[in-house]
Amino acid sequence: NAGVTQTPKFRVLKTGQSMTLLCAQDMNHEYMYWYRQDPGMGLRLIHYSVGEGTTAKGEVPDGYNVSRLKKQNFLLGLESAAPSQTSVYFCASSYAASPGDEQFFGPGTRLTVL
Amino acid sequence: AQTVTQSQPEMSVQEAETVTLSCTYDTSESDYYLFWYKQPPSRQMILVIRQEAYKQQNATENRFSVNFQKAAKSFSLKISDSQLGDAAMYFCAYRSRGDKIIFGKGTRLHILP
Repeated sequence: NAGVTQTPKFRVLKTGQSMTLLCAQDMNHEYMYWYRQDPGMGLRLIHYSVGEGTTAKGEVPDGYNVSRLKKQNFLLGLESAAPSQTSVYFCASSYAASPGDEQFFGPGTRLTVL
Repeated sequence: AQTVTQSQPEMSVQEAETVTLSCTYDTSESDYYLFWYKQPPSRQMILVIRQEAYKQQNATENRFSVNFQKAAKSFSLKISDSQLGDAAMYFCAYRSRGDKIIFGKGTRLHILP
């Protein structure tokens, strides 16, 4: 049982390049989330999904796209990376819609955009 | 809109002592959950403790306990007998009905040997 995994762990991009971050969970969770963490800002929600085939915008969605083609995977895409997207990205998942459900987090991806 | 505020960006405590991390929140909802998450230097966040707003009894998990004051919208975390492994960033979080959890900006806790 690997929990929530993220690929890659580190990445350096040049401005304008594109990339996809992969999040996978093996807990059969319905809900999945993408956050970014910046110093002094806490965690901010980028996009989330409440089930396979669904996605929704969070607090800071601009410049990102997501897809949830399979229940266990949640992809975060950057079409044209900008230095402002330098951050640590976390994926999380939770079982269902109960507000008390714990979110399980991945180990994070550190992205640097030059 | 709901907000979560952690007013202490950093705190330090001597090993084996007790420390309290503060959190306040703002909401018009009556049914919600509050959480404390820990982010150690390894970066992976883990749940420390959670509290349902309808429960008057404060949640406890071993050395971790909360002081939940619903009327004051306050949710502090007390760590007893602090250990070196408690050094981490701690995030207070709020979630009501709906899909999103709202995090505070975090408090970095240092444990002094």
